[in-house]
Amino acid sequence: DIVMTQTPLSSPVTLGQPASISCRSSQSLVHSDGNTYLSWLQQRPGQPPRLLIYKISSRFAGVSNRFRGSGAGTDFTLKISRVEADDVGLYYCMQATQFPWTFGQGTRVEIK
Amino acid sequence: EVHLVESGGDLVQPGGSLRLSCAASGFSFGDYATHWVRQAPGKGLEWVAHISWNSNTRLYADSVKGRFTISRDNAKNSLYLQMDSLRAEDTALYSCAASSNSTNSFDYWGQGTVVAVSS
Repeated sequence: DIVMTQTPLSSPVTLGQPASISCRSSQSLVHSDGNTYLSWLQQRPGQPPRLLIYKISSRFAGVSNRFRGSGAGTDFTLKISRVEADDVGLYYCMQATQFPWTFGQGTRVEIK
Repeated sequence: EVHLVESGGDLVQPGGSLRLSCAASGFSFGDYATHWVRQAPGKGLEWVAHISWNSNTRLYADSVKGRFTISRDNAKNSLYLQMDSLRAEDTALYSCAASSNSTNSFDYWGQGTVVAVSS
């Protein structure tokens, strides 16, 4: 199974300041079809997860352009340009290149 | 508006069975692959099972293989998970999710239903 490792596990951020979360996979996420199926999910308190970013950097419908994904191979990053109160919650990276699909441990974003 | 609504969670004894259901609305259910994902108390997310849009492909996590069966009925916009030989470690919030070919990710999630396995 592909192991996904996120850092940091907790990220206290000042409102209006940027936040960054890293995700590393135990093997390359490049699929045989040429795509890299790395996604980022947001889980607000009491809510189910919500898709933010898919295929490394594509924003899902309705997602703010404050969220930006980047990376390649085994190293990926989610950046929030200006953190808002609504961004508080858990953020997960996830790979769908190979079954079983696997998740990172989650990074808690909170306001300082 | 997209909705995925799970039901069927309950308290069950070890070795028992449960059948979870997920009712979908607000999107073309038959065009999406669907999954079950679980989250045990205090733990992270774990993918459990996948079924393709036409039911031709069914895949399971090793932890549930041989005990759980995923199925769907596109005419009823519904997804199911038959859970047999339940163990204490199956205790979790079970959520259904839908994935599209364009994202190959979890486009939509339900709120989940709680399964507790205990004597």
